[in-house]
Amino acid sequence: EVQLVESGGGLVQPGGSLRLACAASGFTFNTFWMTWVRQAPGKGLEWVANIKWDGSEKYSVDSVKGRFTVSRDNAKNSLYLQMNSLRVEDTAVYFCARGEGMGAWGQGTLVTVSS
Amino acid sequence: QSVLTQPPSASGTPGQSVTISCSGSSSNIESNYVYWYQQLPGTAPKRLIYGSNQRPSGVPDRFSGSKSGTSASLAISGLRSEDEADYYCAAWDDSLSGYVFGTGTKVTVL
Repeated sequence: EVQLVESGGGLVQPGGSLRLACAASGFTFNTFWMTWVRQAPGKGLEWVANIKWDGSEKYSVDSVKGRFTVSRDNAKNSLYLQMNSLRVEDTAVYFCARGEGMGAWGQGTLVTVSS
Repeated sequence: QSVLTQPPSASGTPGQSVTISCSGSSSNIESNYVYWYQQLPGTAPKRLIYGSNQRPSGVPDRFSGSKSGTSASLAISGLRSEDEADYYCAAWDDSLSGYVFGTGTKVTVL
């Protein structure tokens, strides 16, 4: 069974940093692109970033470029999102998802940016 | 900022059919696959359609996807109470070099 479990969310002040992690199991992690998607409270889905199976290609939405970095450790079956210079508008539930087409999702982790 | 436009709401009675539209452009829907997701209240999204019109195993055949030009649609036939959820389309956008989601449609079963 495919499982994706996010962790690392929490309350952080504007300008602060957080590192989210996504632990994957039940599939061959190093053969899939992986994706981060977020959802602000009461709002729709927003694609954040994705990364190729070997880490050689990465893409991200303009609003996080220069602040967020997606990475992965295939030996640990884990995906990461390093978030720096956090803003109030980054407050959201962050989901990791398998594949470019986001065929499986984790339950999400809440990031709250507030003073 | 969503670049795929969906109607904010749609509704029907049990057994009826509902169709949700997703309007995009030549840089996204017209040139790439479309995906559809269902998000039940308080849960993570679930993919219903990939490759514009393909259903993953386990998704009922009441759900079907189609694409024509810069628009796509999700049809739900034989509407059931458990179909009450938010639905989102998505596609890769060549101009943005990233995925874009639709604005979302809330389906209500009357």
